[in-house]
Amino acid sequence: AQTVTQSQPEMSVQEAETVTLSCTYDTSESDYYLFWYKQPPSRQMILVIRQEAYKQQNATENRFSVNFQKAAKSFSLKISDSQLGDAAMYFCAYRRGWQGAQKLVFGQGTRLTINP
Amino acid sequence: KAGVTQTPRYLIKTRGQQVTLSCSPISGHRSVSWYQQTPGQGLQFLFEYFSETQRNKGNFPGRFSGRQFSNSRSEMNVSTLELGDSALYLCASQGSATDTGELFFGEGSRLTVL
Repeated sequence: AQTVTQSQPEMSVQEAETVTLSCTYDTSESDYYLFWYKQPPSRQMILVIRQEAYKQQNATENRFSVNFQKAAKSFSLKISDSQLGDAAMYFCAYRRGWQGAQKLVFGQGTRLTINP
Repeated sequence: KAGVTQTPRYLIKTRGQQVTLSCSPISGHRSVSWYQQTPGQGLQFLFEYFSETQRNKGNFPGRFSGRQFSNSRSEMNVSTLELGDSALYLCASQGSATDTGELFFGEGSRLTVL
């Protein structure tokens, strides 16, 4: 079975600085997706960034980027120029690449605090 | 385009009762999945429906059930409620035309069992 591990239950960063959230996963599949989702206090889960396993290039979305190390099964999220609105729970998630497999496997989450 | 809508947002039940939660996916999305979120267990997959058929099921007891209607709206039901069923229940939908892998989540239904 696939597992996702986030080893940092809580992180804090000063506004405008950079923070990196860690995620490791375990799978025997070769085709899969990895995601970072953000859940603000309002609770709605929002996709931050997505990475397809077959792509070697790390995904980037504005201030958010990932460091995808497939061999090490590591998928960290870097947030640059942190803003107060980035404060939330961040979940790393895995999904098999088969189109019929809609199940997401989530890590336990990292609570990110932004200090003004 | 309207997002994923879940009702009710909050509800309180007592042990032994049953509850039905509703989810309306994004228009055009045919896949609906449900997740349970608790502080102790985190986010756990319940089940997924596609075109009115359950396609995937998580490791939950038979008290948890669901269904999907022809308009893709989905309901989940929990019978004989237990204290441990207190959780945030999240619904997510996905379009099938282009599989980007992304799920779109609703705001959830917060269930408290007393």
